[in-house]
Amino acid sequence: AQSVTQLDSQVPVFEEAPVELRCNYSSSVSVYLFWYVQYPNQGLQLLLKYLSGSTLVKGINGFEAEFNKSQTSFHLRKPSVHISDTAEYFCAVSTQGGSEKLVFGKGTKLTVNP
Amino acid sequence: GAGVSQTPSNKVTEKGKYVELRCDPISGHTALYWYRQSLGQGPEFLIYFQGTGAADDSGLPNDRFFAVRPEGSVSTLKIQRTERGDSAVYLCASSSEESPLHFGNGTRLTVT
Repeated sequence: AQSVTQLDSQVPVFEEAPVELRCNYSSSVSVYLFWYVQYPNQGLQLLLKYLSGSTLVKGINGFEAEFNKSQTSFHLRKPSVHISDTAEYFCAVSTQGGSEKLVFGKGTKLTVNP
Repeated sequence: GAGVSQTPSNKVTEKGKYVELRCDPISGHTALYWYRQSLGQGPEFLIYFQGTGAADDSGLPNDRFFAVRPEGSVSTLKIQRTERGDSAVYLCASSSEESPLHFGNGTRLTVT
C-alpha cells in the first residue's frame, strides 16, 4: 500500500518570499506523483505531475517539484509567492500511469501574508 | 458542461436517513471517481467507474455506500442509514485519456 506524508500542516510566508512544501511517500512499487491545489470554496486543481523522465517538473503558476527516488520525496517549490497563492496544497501518489486511484496526503495550508 | 458539476452543494440530513449525491462529469470523460474528504484530511478514494461499470470499489467503507453510473455519464453516490461519521465533503472527478483528472467543487454532507 502507498502512503503520503506532508510534513507541515501550515506554512505562513511573506509575499515574494520563496516557499517549499514538503512531501514524502512510501510505496513498494513504482509511483506517479502529483500536486493539487485547492482554493477556498473551489475544487482541487492539478498543479503538476511526475510520470517519468526528467525529475524536475514544472507546473502552472510558477510552481515546480523535484522527484527524488532515493529520498522518496516530491517537494513543491516556488521562488517568489503571491497573495493569490494562499490555498491548501495536496501531494498525491498513484501506482497507475494516469490519475486514477490517488492516495493523498493530509494537505498543507499555505498562507501568504503582505 | 465546462466542468464537473456536483449537486447539491450542501446537504444536511438526520442520522439514519438515506441520501443521494449527484455528479455530472465533463462531457466525453469515460472515467469517473468518487472521493471523500473529512475535516483536516486529504481526499480518500471511494470508487472508480470506467464507463458504466465500477472498475474499483475498494474504497467504499461499508455496504451502506453504493454508487451507480447507469448510462456512463451521470453518477449517483447513495448512502443508506447515514451516521454522523459520514459527515464530510464528497468529491467527484472525471478524466479521459486526453485529459487529466478534473474535480468538482464537492457536496458537503452534514449528518445531525
